Amino acid sequence: KNEVEQSPQNLTAQEGEFITINCSYSVGISALHWLQQHPGGGIVSLFMLSSGKKKHGRLIATINIQEKHSSLHITASHPRDSAVYICVVNTGTASKLTFGTGTRLQVTL
Amino acid sequence: DSGVTQTPKHLITATGQRVTLRCSPRSGDLSVYWYQQSLDQGLQFLIQYYNGEERAKGNILERFSAQQFPDLHSELNLSSLELGDSALYFCASSVAPGGQYEQYFGPGTRLTVT
Repeated sequence: KNEVEQSPQNLTAQEGEFITINCSYSVGISALHWLQQHPGGGIVSLFMLSSGKKKHGRLIATINIQEKHSSLHITASHPRDSAVYICVVNTGTASKLTFGTGTRLQVTL
Repeated sequence: DSGVTQTPKHLITATGQRVTLRCSPRSGDLSVYWYQQSLDQGLQFLIQYYNGEERAKGNILERFSAQQFPDLHSELNLSSLELGDSALYFCASSVAPGGQYEQYFGPGTRLTVT
């Protein structure tokens, strides 16, 4: 079992839909990151969380440390949101980073 | 534009060869991370440097090595290349080590080993 599990692996949505991507982890962490990888390969860091909730535009990320779970929500989805979303956890003081396998999102018109 | 630069963008080389990938972090960032993304493995953390010193090691092969220079740029050296080393190699930088700091990713170097 991977230390970081994401679901779903693939997601197709219509423009305007509310989207949720989940990340569960099995280790103690100091922080969790959500990354977006565009079809061309470029990677953008969306959020860094250690507790609570963060919002940036149409994106919302939450984390529940007790349940070892984080969610990434996209409101009013748009085709330009089509990308792979990757959950990354940072464990311990050694800055060890463990990646989820990613969720491939396709938003259609 | 993240402010992190990587060169070259693309690299094609033969098995057994050695290559060097270069990364310049964002101005002011002291920490550099290297990642490998292959088709079958997803993104993997290789190694992290902070202000010239190795800080953390991930799944980095012994054939691979890295260093961070006094001007804070970093190089990843890959030697005795195998077909399986074909991948996208990303560099990221952050102001300091530790997961509480946001990482800024470079555009990546696509390595093809033939």
